[in-house]
Amino acid sequence: EAGVAQSPRYKIIEKRQSVAFWCNPISGHATLYWYQQILGQGPKLLIQFQNNGVVDDSQLPKDRFSAERLKGVDSTLKIQPAKLEDSAVYLCASSLGSGGRYEQFFGPGTRLTVL
Amino acid sequence: KNQVEQSPQSLIILEGKNCTLQCNYTVSPFSNLRWYKQDTGRGPVSLTIMTFSENTKSNGRYTATLDADTKQSSLHITASQLSDSASYICVVSAQAGNTPLVFGKGTRLSVIA
Repeated sequence: EAGVAQSPRYKIIEKRQSVAFWCNPISGHATLYWYQQILGQGPKLLIQFQNNGVVDDSQLPKDRFSAERLKGVDSTLKIQPAKLEDSAVYLCASSLGSGGRYEQFFGPGTRLTVL
Repeated sequence: KNQVEQSPQSLIILEGKNCTLQCNYTVSPFSNLRWYKQDTGRGPVSLTIMTFSENTKSNGRYTATLDADTKQSSLHITASQLSDSASYICVVSAQAGNTPLVFGKGTRLSVIA
């Protein structure tokens, strides 16, 4: 079974530029998550989708971050404009359902460096 | 406030030795606790999951324990290998619906020859 795919794996941009990350979850997983993981910290939830609807985006900085999952499968996360403090690894995860009893499977992440 | 605290922050051990990582949590109401292993440059991978009624769970050389009364968990690694070098993250789930998982900051383990 294929895992969660993410691209690109690495991205270096200058502050105020835009960047987009892509995620393809495990087939059949209805729930998709985007996390931000700063070096030395645990992942922080940015947004959670159930199919193509947003369940939780309370910690998403909506003035610069946006995410979509139009067809309930793939998802993109965009940052516009980027700030230095956005340097982090962006992890995508998926699960069969919503709630803590469903295991989340993580992708390899995209490491973003903002100069 | 729901929190997960892990100790030590980092640990260096010799190959073949055992080690124990600690996790304290204040998440309530408690649903389950997972230990994840995160290799450098990779996403976290689940090692064990324990619910309220379970107090020990093994996965090969990894053994997790849970004391729901004191809200403490530990991850014991037996006969460590170089490939065990990674961050180990304790993650707690609250019982209520879509409450986000609560992640610890992780323990960075380095196994050296």
